[in-house]
Amino acid sequence: AQSVTQLDSQVPVFEEAPVELRCNYSSSVSVYLFWYVQYPNQGLQLLLKYLSGSTLVKGINGFEAEFNKSQTSFHLRKPSVHISDTAEYFCAVSDRGYSTLTFGKGTMLLVSP
Amino acid sequence: ETGVTQTPRHLVMGMTNKKSLKCEQHLGHNAMYWYKQSAKKPLELMFVYSLEERVENNSVPSRFSPECPNSSHLFLHLHTLQPEDSALYLCASSQESGLVTEQFFGPGTRLTVL
Repeated sequence: AQSVTQLDSQVPVFEEAPVELRCNYSSSVSVYLFWYVQYPNQGLQLLLKYLSGSTLVKGINGFEAEFNKSQTSFHLRKPSVHISDTAEYFCAVSDRGYSTLTFGKGTMLLVSP
Repeated sequence: ETGVTQTPRHLVMGMTNKKSLKCEQHLGHNAMYWYKQSAKKPLELMFVYSLEERVENNSVPSRFSPECPNSSHLFLHLHTLQPEDSALYLCASSQESGLVTEQFFGPGTRLTVL
């Protein structure tokens, strides 16, 4: 069975500061990894995904994530956040493809002026 | 506009009511999903339909009954719900092609059971 741990339920940060949202997973097989963002009163939107190849993945809105197999991590980073990045971020893992996504509990990113 | 719409956006119902949630995708996808999102808990996959056939049911109580009449529409019929069923219900769709692709989510229906 696979699982996802998002270590921080909330991350407060000031505007223009860098941020890292942590995600660790467990799985007995090769995995696909995803980060989704959920803005208030909206559904989830894909930020980026790792399927294979380069371990550094770039996504939308200036976000990137790095797959680290030895540490079973897929942390999300942004060098300079904006107020508009305030949202909840979900890490997800799949070992068979999109239809078997397992989500973490989410991390609320709170960006203040 | 994500291409996946859900109605209603908000629903308040009593435990003896019967209601239905509707999802429609305008993306030409062939797979659709229902998720339950409760506070402080991970998203829970409830049902998966691929080519209009249910392929996964994660031990959801029978008071939730899905229906997929065609590849563009998905319903979740609700009856005799419990207060703990109050949550955000998200619909998603994707294109099954043998490759890993993205799930597109609707905005959700916020359900409150009194």
